[in-house]
Amino acid sequence: GAGVSQSPSNKVTEKGKDVELRCDPISGHTALYWYRQSLGQGLEFLIYFQGNSAPDKSGLPSDRFSAERTGGSVSTLTIQRTQQEDSAVYLCASSPSPPVYSGNTIYFGEGSWLTVV
Amino acid sequence: AQSVTQLGSHVSVSEGALVLLRCNYSSSVPPYLFWYVQYPNQGLQLLLKYTSAATLVKGINGFEAEFKKSETSFHLTKPSAHMSDAAEYFCAVSDAGPNTGNQFYFGTGTSLTVIP
Repeated sequence: GAGVSQSPSNKVTEKGKDVELRCDPISGHTALYWYRQSLGQGLEFLIYFQGNSAPDKSGLPSDRFSAERTGGSVSTLTIQRTQQEDSAVYLCASSPSPPVYSGNTIYFGEGSWLTVV
Repeated sequence: AQSVTQLGSHVSVSEGALVLLRCNYSSSVPPYLFWYVQYPNQGLQLLLKYTSAATLVKGINGFEAEFKKSETSFHLTKPSAHMSDAAEYFCAVSDAGPNTGNQFYFGTGTSLTVIP
């Protein structure tokens, strides 16, 4: 597609339910990132994919969070047993295949706004 | 790992005044540096980036930033603020290491308010 597409754009869920957030990166982009932005906070790195593998998943806050990417394209971020502190905007971004030291730009989607009640 | 510090979580300027948003980075290798802008209820949009070419980088909407290695800074400026510049601004550094790929580290953001 023309840009990074995320769905749903808004999600309200009850505490304890599982949620899935989807990211469709720009066509041909092999690098994909998930960030979390809480109200009034900066961007918190969650996980980075290169192709279907995740060389850096150090930002996932707990084992309730997981992510996968299939076919080198669409990625799904899953939050199990949601808690109120999970309420945030979840931003996905993608980047072209990054040769080392390329300084490639990353392009962001509009985000998925998650509210846990 | 790299890191980015943005001084001032909130900055207010009058319309027509100079905009200066500060960013300092730490990096053990020549960095790639970025400024992104986030308008209300939107995703992040690239303003400009430094990739070791000219130290003064010009971006969209009249913004520019200067890379100063001696000060490890990459401050964002605009000569004359417009009301439409009101947004959240994020500085980022790219860690393009051989083992980590193209990782990005963001600052905590600076909220710019433009006063009529």
